[in-house]
Amino acid sequence: AQKVTQAQTEISVVEKEDVTLDCVYETRDTTYYLFWYKQPPSGELVFLIRRNSFDEQNEISGRYSWNFQKSTSSFNFTITASQVVDSAVYFCALSEAGGSARQLTFGSGTQLTVLP
Amino acid sequence: ETGVTQSPTHLIKTRGQQVTLRCSSQSGHNTVSWYQQALGQGPQFIFQYYREEENGRGNFPPRFSGLQFPNYSSELNVNALELDDSALYLCASSFGLAGTDTQYFGPGTRLTVL
Repeated sequence: AQKVTQAQTEISVVEKEDVTLDCVYETRDTTYYLFWYKQPPSGELVFLIRRNSFDEQNEISGRYSWNFQKSTSSFNFTITASQVVDSAVYFCALSEAGGSARQLTFGSGTQLTVLP
Repeated sequence: ETGVTQSPTHLIKTRGQQVTLRCSSQSGHNTVSWYQQALGQGPQFIFQYYREEENGRGNFPPRFSGLQFPNYSSELNVNALELDDSALYLCASSFGLAGTDTQYFGPGTRLTVL
């Protein structure tokens, strides 16, 4: 069975600090997909990134970067020079290639608060 | 391009009643997935519809049912509401069933059961 763990329930940083959100996953599939979503107070889940299990290249998009390490089953998310608008709940999610439904299994989320 | 929309935004029901939630998928998408998000938790998969057929189901009882229409919009029906059904219900659409097909979410319907 697939499982995603986000051990950090809440993180609070001061604006311009860097912050890393941790994500550890479990799966028996050799092909799987990892995602990060952002949920602002409005409630809508906003897609940030998708990673395939066979692509371990790290990715950078502006102030966001992702570190995927299969050896430790981790897919961590770093925000550089955080801003108040980054305040939200961030979810890591996993989808397995096996099975008929491409369901997402989510972690419990990390509440990030960026203070001015 | 229109994103995923859901209606209504908020809903209050009493225990034992029935509710129908609606979702319009993003233009070009033929797959709709429904998730339940209780307060302070991550979303939980309810079921998925692909081309009007249920394609997979999570650990939810049969009183949770759904439909997908020819235009790929979808409904989630919940019968015999219980207090624990109070949650944010999220609909997500995607183009197909490949793992590379990202699910895009709507704003959700917040259901309160009294």
